[in-house]
Amino acid sequence: DIQMTQSPSTLSASVGDRVTITCRASQSISTSLAWYQQKPGKDPKLLIYQASSLESGVPSRFSGSGSGTEFTLTISNLQPDDFSIYYCQQYNTFSGYTFGQGTKLEIK
Amino acid sequence: QVQLVQSGAEVKKPGASVKVSCETSGYFFTDYYLHWVRQAPGQGLEWMGWINPHTGGTYYAQKFQGRVTLTRDTSISTAYMEVSRLRSDDTAFYYCARDRQLSVPDAFDIWGQGTMVTVSS
Repeated sequence: DIQMTQSPSTLSASVGDRVTITCRASQSISTSLAWYQQKPGKDPKLLIYQASSLESGVPSRFSGSGSGTEFTLTISNLQPDDFSIYYCQQYNTFSGYTFGQGTKLEIK
Repeated sequence: QVQLVQSGAEVKKPGASVKVSCETSGYFFTDYYLHWVRQAPGQGLEWMGWINPHTGGTYYAQKFQGRVTLTRDTSISTAYMEVSRLRSDDTAFYYCARDRQLSVPDAFDIWGQGTMVTVSS
């Protein structure tokens, strides 16, 4: 099974900051990588798919990059609504859709 | 608009079974895989498996094989997830989610609102 490791687990930042979250895969997944945002008590929301494609309706301050085993989610000009938990997910094959353990983005 | 609406919260005793429904609307039900994901309180997301609504074919994460059954009813555009032999550590929110594509694995673009299943004696 492909394992996904996110870092950091918790990230403190201020409104207006630029932050980066990293996700590493235990083996190459090409660009089969998605990022989700989840607010307390809500279902996850797709932000990025195929490592760098922005889902419709998602603000352009969110961006993704990477391929193979290393990926990043960058949020520029942090807004109050961005303080949430973020998950990466690999979907390299139909036999496994692994999530990372999550990164909590909190207000400094 | 595209929607996935799940059935309501359940409270079950250990050893019992639970069946959660996921009613879809706003798109052709058989055109997209549906996945099930669970989230224990305060924990991360855990993928459980998928169903191909067109063929009824299924795939389960190894952890859930033999205890989880995914089915669908194409006449009412609804998918179901049943968990048998419930344990206390099955207490979680259960989500259905739509795959962006049918032909290749992809991200989950639409999610249900989640169904809380509590297992307690």
